[in-house]
Amino acid sequence: KNEVEQSPQNLTAQEGEFITINCSYSVGISALHWLQQHPGGGIVSLFMLSSGKKKHGRLIATINIQEKHSSLHITASHPRDSAVYICAVSLWEGGSQGNLIFGKGTKLSVKP
Amino acid sequence: EPEVTQTPSHQVTQMGQEVILRCVPISNHLYFYWYRQILGQKVEFLVSFYNNEISEKSEIFDDQFSVERPDGSNFTLKIRSTKLEDSAMYFCASKVRGDTGELFFGEGSRLTVL
Repeated sequence: KNEVEQSPQNLTAQEGEFITINCSYSVGISALHWLQQHPGGGIVSLFMLSSGKKKHGRLIATINIQEKHSSLHITASHPRDSAVYICAVSLWEGGSQGNLIFGKGTKLSVKP
Repeated sequence: EPEVTQTPSHQVTQMGQEVILRCVPISNHLYFYWYRQILGQKVEFLVSFYNNEISEKSEIFDDQFSVERPDGSNFTLKIRSTKLEDSAMYFCASKVRGDTGELFFGEGSRLTVL
């Protein structure tokens, strides 16, 4: 069965801390997405990765295809980073790559 | 910045009623998707749509569900006869290309079936 596992489920940090969220998956994939879900429910795409590393501002995403593992890092965390971070993968089966398998999400709370 | 818009933001309906959720994808996007998230659970893929036809669908997307793009701008999800278990947040998303590119999500439509 295709699974996406995230850890930790919940994470509380102090403002300024370096944060890492992990994602592991069990099958070959064509791409991995990191998404941010706001408290109101809306979803924003942060990264789409198929190899290596991407950086956007204070966010860094890495993927190791051989180990089937990805990490999302947040440097100098801020209370506005508080959200649920979701890892999702699209499989090697072709198509439009929108048939994603989602993880359960990591709820991040950053305290001032 | 272009965005995906969804209406309504919240709909309450009686079991057995038909519901239509509407989405306006970003204008130059070609691939369209619906996802749902039951409260407290993970997001699930429902269907993808390209070139005016369904390209992929999940087991959830049974005969009670349908999608269409009636006028070249709106992308709709219809649930013919709602059940209690259809209560969820429904997200529309779109992207320019199928194989690469960022997915853009709408803010979601919350459906409550009583």
